[in-house]
Order: sequence, then C-alpha cells, then structure tokens
Amino acid sequence: GAGVSQTPSNKVTEKGKYVELRCDPISGHTALYWYRQSLGQGPEFLIYFQGTGAADDSGLPNDRFFAVRPEGSVSTLKIQRTERGDSAVYLCASSPRGSGGPDTQYFGPGTRLTVL
Amino acid sequence: AQSVTQPDIHITVSEGASLELRCNYSYGATPYLFWYVQSPGQGLQLLLKYFSGDTLVQGIKGFEAEFKRSQSSFNLRKPSVHWSDAAEYFCAVGAAGTASKLTFGTGTRLQVTL
Repeated sequence: GAGVSQTPSNKVTEKGKYVELRCDPISGHTALYWYRQSLGQGPEFLIYFQGTGAADDSGLPNDRFFAVRPEGSVSTLKIQRTERGDSAVYLCASSPRGSGGPDTQYFGPGTRLTVL
Repeated sequence: AQSVTQPDIHITVSEGASLELRCNYSYGATPYLFWYVQSPGQGLQLLLKYFSGDTLVQGIKGFEAEFKRSQSSFNLRKPSVHWSDAAEYFCAVGAAGTASKLTFGTGTRLQVTL
C-alpha cells in the first residue's frame, strides 16, 4: 500500500515569509508525528497528533510553528516569519495506534526547507 | 529524559566484512528501541525494533541487533556487508507504556569500499 507522502519535496523561501508543509499519512493510521532534521543531525521531535488533537507539542521550538490535523488524516505544518535557522528537512511519520503500547512509526521522504 | 548516543560518526568497512554499529541509550525504564536507515534523499526506513521478549532481534536486509540492559546498549550487526548498505544509520528510543516521540541519535554514516 501507499506509504507516507509529503509535499512539496523541496521548498525555497525568503526570510520572513510564511510556509506550509503537508503530510499524508498511511491510510487508517491514527497517530501522526512531525520531526525536523538539521544537517548532520538525527531527527528531532516537534509534535504528535492522536486523531485530530495534538497530544504532545513539546518539541515545537517557538510560537512561529503550528500544526493542524483537522480531519484526523492529512496534517499541515505551518511556519510563520521564517528564519534562516528554520532550514532543515521536515519529516512526517505515522503509526497505526499511537497509544496503548508499543507502536512503529513509518516515515515519509521529507520536505527540504531552505530559507534564504 | 531519554537520550541516545551513537559514538561513531563515520565507519568504513570493506564489502563482505562484518559490521557493528554502536548505540547506547539512557532511559529510566524498559525502552522501546529502533534502528532506522536513511539513504541519500530518502526517508527513514525501519530496519528492526525491540519492544520486549527475545533480546536478539532480526530485521530486514540481514541486520540484527541485541538489547543488553546491563550495558544500556542496542548494537546493530550484519555478518557480511554489501555495497548497497552504504547509508546513514540512526538508533532511536521511545518511552515504554506510550507511543509518542522517538529520540534519535546523531547517526552513523557507513561507507562501504569495494
């Protein structure tokens, strides 16, 4: 079946602009996660959704970052007033249950964001 | 707070040689442990995972890993490396009892010489 998809694959923007990154999880997966991977680093957790609600947003770096999942499927990560330090690969993952025990996260290919 | 250390930033092995990538974790209870592989321009692919039970787990592409609680380690091994195994490898830990964020190590880049 189809895996996690993310669009766009690449996004170049100017400092101060607003961007939206989209994630389509595996069909039927309840949980959805966003991570950020800077060059030479491992992915860092940003936010986790259980259904439509954000169950844990402790990884969002500041209030310029916001994510939604209005219908419990597709999610959008929104970044306002982008800064050069926001440049990274943004990874999305989904998992079948997201609670009640161990679960495996399946990752998408990522969106490479470059802020000039 | 949970953490993961991958002490080797870069490893080079010859094709056909054996491989061991080190991973040490810090977590106060029984962790969930994962190894992912990332090829250039690709997303993370799950190699194997440990949740409970047998401490030696088998994964895809001939990889295995052993959970050693006494050493807080979850090292990845492969008896004979293929050139296509060249990639970045990430160890990750998740909190037991819930399924939320994974904490990743900084990764080990594997280079395979022919």
